[in-house]
Amino acid sequence: EAQVTQNPRYLITVTGKKLTVTCSQNMNHEYMSWYRQDPGLGLRQIYYSMNVEVTDKGDVPEGYKVSRKEKRNFPLILESPSPNQTSLYFCASSLSPRYEQYFGPGTRLTVT
Amino acid sequence: GENVEQHPSTLSVQEGDSAVIKCTYSDSASNYFPWYKQELGKRPQLIIDIRSNVGEKKDQRIAVTLNKTAKHFSLHITETQPEDSAVYFCAGGSPGNQFYFGTGTSLTVIP
Repeated sequence: EAQVTQNPRYLITVTGKKLTVTCSQNMNHEYMSWYRQDPGLGLRQIYYSMNVEVTDKGDVPEGYKVSRKEKRNFPLILESPSPNQTSLYFCASSLSPRYEQYFGPGTRLTVT
Repeated sequence: GENVEQHPSTLSVQEGDSAVIKCTYSDSASNYFPWYKQELGKRPQLIIDIRSNVGEKKDQRIAVTLNKTAKHFSLHITETQPEDSAVYFCAGGSPGNQFYFGTGTSLTVIP
């Protein structure tokens, strides 16, 4: 089954404690993205990757890091989380930015 | 970069009526405009998309129109049903590889 998976689905953590949200796709897609969704702000792109070892900033990259060492995986790293990073996070993948993006189930992160 | 604006933010219609959601974009070089539907607690899913070489596209009760001159595109849902209730997002791809979503429209279809 073609899918995008994310883990964990829910996470409550404290300010400053490093965390990683994993994302994996099995569709051999080249384009992968991370978005955060906040009420009234829609989906905002954090980082995206066109292929292995090729990553670039989206609209709201501050406080986040990503890596793309393998085509299928695109982890999101928060090295020192802060309360303003409390949000719903989605990973997505597609053939390119001009084709349908397939979203993961989402990760709800709370930073206290 | 690109700026995608979406209106209205909320929309209520009676079952069977039509619903229209409008989006504008700023970068005239943008060429791909998808619409995503997000049901409560679920992930966004593509419902229809249009490319800049096409003015209109239909899929059953859903249609999207694109006006490149005015830089706006719209989603039209006819004969609305309660299961159409969801948040709808328009989106646009910049000529680069960044991707922009609108802020969403919460559609409620009243039975």
